[in-house]
Amino acid sequence: EAGVTQSPTHLIKTRGQQVTLRCSPISGHTSVYWYQQALGLGLQFLLWYDEGEERNRGNFPPRFSGRQFPNYSSELNVNALELEDSALYLCASSSSGQGHEQYFGPGTRLTVT
Amino acid sequence: EDQVTQSPEALRLQEGESSSLNCSYTVSGLRGLFWYRQDPGKGPEFLFTLYSAGEEKEKERLKATLTKKESFLHITAPKPEDSATYLCAVQPASGGSYIPTFGRGTSLIVHP
Repeated sequence: EAGVTQSPTHLIKTRGQQVTLRCSPISGHTSVYWYQQALGLGLQFLLWYDEGEERNRGNFPPRFSGRQFPNYSSELNVNALELEDSALYLCASSSSGQGHEQYFGPGTRLTVT
Repeated sequence: EDQVTQSPEALRLQEGESSSLNCSYTVSGLRGLFWYRQDPGKGPEFLFTLYSAGEEKEKERLKATLTKKESFLHITAPKPEDSATYLCAVQPASGGSYIPTFGRGTSLIVHP
């Protein structure tokens, strides 16, 4: 069974630019979560999508946004990049949002210069 | 607000030297407690889910236990390949958000 996949693996962007990260969940999973993991910090929850709808949002500014497609894959968009957005962005999926463990992808390393 | 505190922050062991990692939590009703392993620069790998006090789960050299206030991850006779950061997360039973709160992790290094 294929796991969660993310693309790209690495990205280098300049301050003020925009970036789109992509995630494909495990087959059969309908929930997708996005997390930010800055160096030396814990996982910070960004967004939760389930059945195509945004279900919950973490304490991040509106320039972090995303969507979930009919095939349950998801995109995370970050506008007006700032230096502090440099982090490992992790996508996870679960079979539903309610009480099921999350399975993580390998992450996208974003560096903002 | 849900809180998860993991200790110690870092742990160095000799190969074969058993030890335990601690995860203390406060949550308004526990739906589940998760343990993950994370290698540097990679995504966390799911290990266990515990649902109620007294529950135990085992996988190879790892054993996770749960009480009403904390969970332990016991590592028996560790090997160098067990070196990683171990993350604990709690999922609340109430509020409808179901978003887990993660601890900062324990960085484990096992020396040969």
